[in-house]
Amino acid sequence: DGGITQSPKYLFRKEGQNVTLSCEQNLNHDAMYWYRQDPGQGLRLIYYSQIVNDFQKGDIAEGYSVSREKKESFPLTVTSAQKNPTAFYLCASSRANTNTIYFGEGSWLTVV
Amino acid sequence: GENVEQHPSTLSVQEGDSAVIKCTYSDSASNYFPWYKQELGKGPQLIIDIRSNVGEKKDQRIAVTLNKTAKHFSLHITETQPEDSAVYFCAASPNFGNEKLTFGTGTRLTIIP
Repeated sequence: DGGITQSPKYLFRKEGQNVTLSCEQNLNHDAMYWYRQDPGQGLRLIYYSQIVNDFQKGDIAEGYSVSREKKESFPLTVTSAQKNPTAFYLCASSRANTNTIYFGEGSWLTVV
Repeated sequence: GENVEQHPSTLSVQEGDSAVIKCTYSDSASNYFPWYKQELGKGPQLIIDIRSNVGEKKDQRIAVTLNKTAKHFSLHITETQPEDSAVYFCAASPNFGNEKLTFGTGTRLTIIP
């Protein structure tokens, strides 16, 4: 089935550790995105990539890093510099020059 | 930048009744307005969208209306069913500017059987 796969679904991290969230899509979409969702808030854009080997900071990029070495993959690293990393992280993708964004099922990150 | 406000934050309606969720936006350059439904523990799913050259759009039991002059748009769900219970998000962006998509804070809709 075509779609966006995020892993792991649940992740616990100790303070001071980096963690990488995986996002893979087989929709042949050019653009990919990472959002963060906190309770009672809308989705906030962390990073986005419109083409392989290129990515741009979103509204809340501090403490995060990404790579886009392959069209289908857009991993997100939550670094120890992120002061409040506990959240629900959503990966998304879209075709070039279209508005419809498709989301993955999300990853829950908890810092313990 | 764009600011999207969404009301109410929670809404409970009897099964079979209608539900209305309202959003306002601030940037007159916005002309694409999607609505997403998010079930517990899952990613948001697009349920309907509208562009600024259209005032209303329907898809079975759901409809969206847009008043570009007043900068507000609304989601209408008729004949509500228990499976409509979810969190609904509105959003706004300029055409093909997905990185500029700004979301509202969400409405938790509960359908009472």
